[in-house]
Amino acid sequence: SQELEQSPQSLIVQEGKNLTINCTSSKTLYGLYWYKQKYGEGLIFLMMLQKGGEEKSHEKITAKLDEKKQQSSLHITASQPSHAGIYLCGADPPSNTGKLIFGQGTTLQVKP
Amino acid sequence: NAGVTQTPKFRVLKTGQSMTLLCAQDMNHEYMYWYRQDPGMGLRLIHYSVGEGTTAKGEVPDGYNVSRLKKQNFLLGLESAAPSQTSVYFCASSYAGRAIYEQYFGPGTRLTVT
Repeated sequence: SQELEQSPQSLIVQEGKNLTINCTSSKTLYGLYWYKQKYGEGLIFLMMLQKGGEEKSHEKITAKLDEKKQQSSLHITASQPSHAGIYLCGADPPSNTGKLIFGQGTTLQVKP
Repeated sequence: NAGVTQTPKFRVLKTGQSMTLLCAQDMNHEYMYWYRQDPGMGLRLIHYSVGEGTTAKGEVPDGYNVSRLKKQNFLLGLESAAPSQTSVYFCASSYAGRAIYEQYFGPGTRLTVT
């Protein structure tokens, strides 16, 4: 079965620093989603990547999907306290019909 | 447009008690999902539905039942709660099932079973 591995599991950065979160799949992905979750709240959709080599940006967050469609990275530039939360990657394997599987999440703390 | 709503937001049960979690969406989505979130394990799919009147098992279906009698509602039932079911439960919905359709999540239900 397909698994998603996120690294690191947790991250503490100083405000203003850049950071990267990785999501690696054991199999080729049909689509890759990035979500953000604040404590006690639901998941907020950030971006979805579908094509190998695709890159998308929203404000200071950039997500990339590698050519083989097995690894994605989420990069935050000049982090702010508002970026703190849990970041989850979700994937739609080719054999599924919308049943996303998720990585275990990366907890980000940004120190002012 | 309320999006996806969940009822209740918090609940404490004793072992053996039963309860039903309600998920409602007002976006006319065909697909609905129930996930549980546990520390260090991300989200795991419990059951899902691809349309009114249909349900299917996800990754961790044991101990749960679901029903989708109306398109806008997806109910998750615990017949005999166990401490292992202490978790945060999220409902989600999407227009259709493939990767191009974003899943919209509810705010979650925090369940504790003592």
